[in-house]
Amino acid sequence: QLQLQQSGPGLVKPSETLSLTCSVSDDSSSRSTYYWGWVRQPPGKGLEWIGSIYYSGNTYYNPSLKSRVTISVDTSKRHFSLNLTSVTAADTAVYYCARHRLLTGFLVGLDYWGQGTLVTVSS
Amino acid sequence: DIAVTQSPDSLAVSLGERATISCKSSQSILYRANNKNYLGWYQQKPGQPPKLLIYWASTRESGVPDRFSGSGSGTDFTLTISSLQAEDVAVYYCQQYYSTPYTFGQGTKLEIK
Repeated sequence: QLQLQQSGPGLVKPSETLSLTCSVSDDSSSRSTYYWGWVRQPPGKGLEWIGSIYYSGNTYYNPSLKSRVTISVDTSKRHFSLNLTSVTAADTAVYYCARHRLLTGFLVGLDYWGQGTLVTVSS
Repeated sequence: DIAVTQSPDSLAVSLGERATISCKSSQSILYRANNKNYLGWYQQKPGQPPKLLIYWASTRESGVPDRFSGSGSGTDFTLTISSLQAEDVAVYYCQQYYSTPYTFGQGTKLEIK
């Protein structure tokens, strides 16, 4: 059973950088059958896709966050990371990492999720 | 961006009865290369991450009870729970992954009547 383990601070000051890491329990981060993504959920609200990365390093970002987001993958260390710069209170949310499966080369849904990290932006 | 809209926002159904949630996309999400609709349904219980129930609009994820089914094509989709169980109380989301940014519906809160 695959596990995605998230790590990173739960409190970030305004204007600073939010950094989270998602550790993958097997070697699937280096396989061509998956993308890896981040999704966030403000308290009491719905889900927002932040971006995704392929094992090759190709990235896809939500245009609403693109200027501030970087997603990277380290297949040798079996983890991928999220950096969000210049955060404000509006970035306060539960952040999830997730796996986006490919089936016969075509995208399927987000089939495995991390446990979620509540990140609060406050001084 | 493809907008995804769910209805209703909340729904109360009696145990054993049918629950139906609608999801509409602002443009077709039928991927011609494999003739699949790029829509997923998720279930989220309080304090938990979402769980994938249905992908490609109608394919049930492994381990998901067969009372959950998805249907629809193009822009109009439906999630049906054929006989509501107590453990189905949750918020349900649809998501299109046809084109980035992948967008979610606003969610439908399902409760027991």
